[in-house]
Amino acid sequence: AQSVTQPDIHITVSEGASLELRCNYSYGATPYLFWYVQSPGQGLQLLLKYFSGDTLVKGINGFEAEFNKSQTSFHLRKPSVHISDTAEYFCAVSGSNDYKLSFGAGTTVTVRA
Amino acid sequence: DTGVSQNPRHKITKRGQNVTFRCDPISEHNRLYWYRQTLGQGPEFLTYFQNEAQLEKSRLLSDRFSAERPKGSFSTLEIQRTEQGDSAMYLCASSSFGQTQLSYEQYFGPGTRLTVT
Repeated sequence: AQSVTQPDIHITVSEGASLELRCNYSYGATPYLFWYVQSPGQGLQLLLKYFSGDTLVKGINGFEAEFNKSQTSFHLRKPSVHISDTAEYFCAVSGSNDYKLSFGAGTTVTVRA
Repeated sequence: DTGVSQNPRHKITKRGQNVTFRCDPISEHNRLYWYRQTLGQGPEFLTYFQNEAQLEKSRLLSDRFSAERPKGSFSTLEIQRTEQGDSAMYLCASSSFGQTQLSYEQYFGPGTRLTVT
């Protein structure tokens, strides 16, 4: 069965600092990987996705993630965060034969001024 | 493209009552998914439809839960005889279905927050 682990429950960073959110997955076949962001009172917004090809994928709002098959990881990064990046971030996995998403528990990011 | 909408946004009910939620997907999307999210957790898959056919149900979906998508457009999720453990955010998502990887991109609505007292 597929699963996603996000080891960091809460991260606090200063505005302008870099951010890295960790995600490790377990999937028996070729994984499709996603990062979503959830702001208070809002639905989940897709930040970026990886299906195949270049292992470094770029998404919206300056976010990027790198797929590492040997480490079964898909870490999310942003070089310089803004106050508006304060939100909860979820990593998710599905696969070529499985449309449903399996999510990690999420990482809450607080960006302080 | 108006996005996925869900109604109501909030629902407070007493234990034992029945509740029904509605989801309207993005108009050209023929796949529709329901997820449940409890506090401090990521969303968990409940069920999904392709057009009007319900293709998969999670074991989380007990007999008290039923979902329908009668004309392949909007969907309803009903919970009968609600229990306090049903308190959660119920999320709906939709996607297109075809031969491309766009089929795997799900777009979520704002959710319906259910509180069972």
